[in-house]
Amino acid sequence: SQQGEEDPQALSIQEGENATMNCSYKTSINNLQWYRQNSGRGLVHLILIRSNEREKHSGRLRVTLDTSKKSSSLLITASRAADTASYFCATVDAGKSTFGDGTTLTVKP
Amino acid sequence: EAGVAQSPRYKIIEKRQSVAFWCNPISGHATLYWYQQILGQGPKLLIQFQNNGVVDDSQLPKDRFSAERLKGVDSTLKIQPAKLEDSAVYLCASSLSRGGFNEQFFGPGTRLTVL
Repeated sequence: SQQGEEDPQALSIQEGENATMNCSYKTSINNLQWYRQNSGRGLVHLILIRSNEREKHSGRLRVTLDTSKKSSSLLITASRAADTASYFCATVDAGKSTFGDGTTLTVKP
Repeated sequence: EAGVAQSPRYKIIEKRQSVAFWCNPISGHATLYWYQQILGQGPKLLIQFQNNGVVDDSQLPKDRFSAERLKGVDSTLKIQPAKLEDSAVYLCASSLSRGGFNEQFFGPGTRLTVL
């Protein structure tokens, strides 16, 4: 079974709005990573947050990590049509990465 | 910097046939991964190499799947014989080192259709 589970499965918003995706996991982790996948393409790394970090920013991306709740969230601010993609969280434990099934984000122009 | 290269991009075969996929990771990346991604799901790790040694193949169906990474550079994943449920995208990724503390760089994938 997958370690990380994203929520919601699908999200549709208007351009300019913020998008929030959540990831829950079951066991301990070393770090948690977020990836984006455009249709028909490979995954692209977005951001890595270590288990001792609580928040990280990269451009319009903000990731939080709550190890007590075993959850993480990815916030994309001021979304653009080009942000339309699937977003996956990957939990890393003992060197092994496990991906969830992703959130499909659609940003309408 | 060149990315992860994979070939072929698409492959259609009949069930019970064999197929092979090739991956060339980013130069200098010690760790190479093969993932299977079924439509609508996240990538599932099949096998992870550190240089030319296997560090994790716990989810590789070894009765039909095999992989090798000769000389610790490029890698080949083979399926023999293929089943209908093997229809998926096969992704190759590489990272600088093991341990999951580095980002993984993914290739474009090979889309396999088994008829």
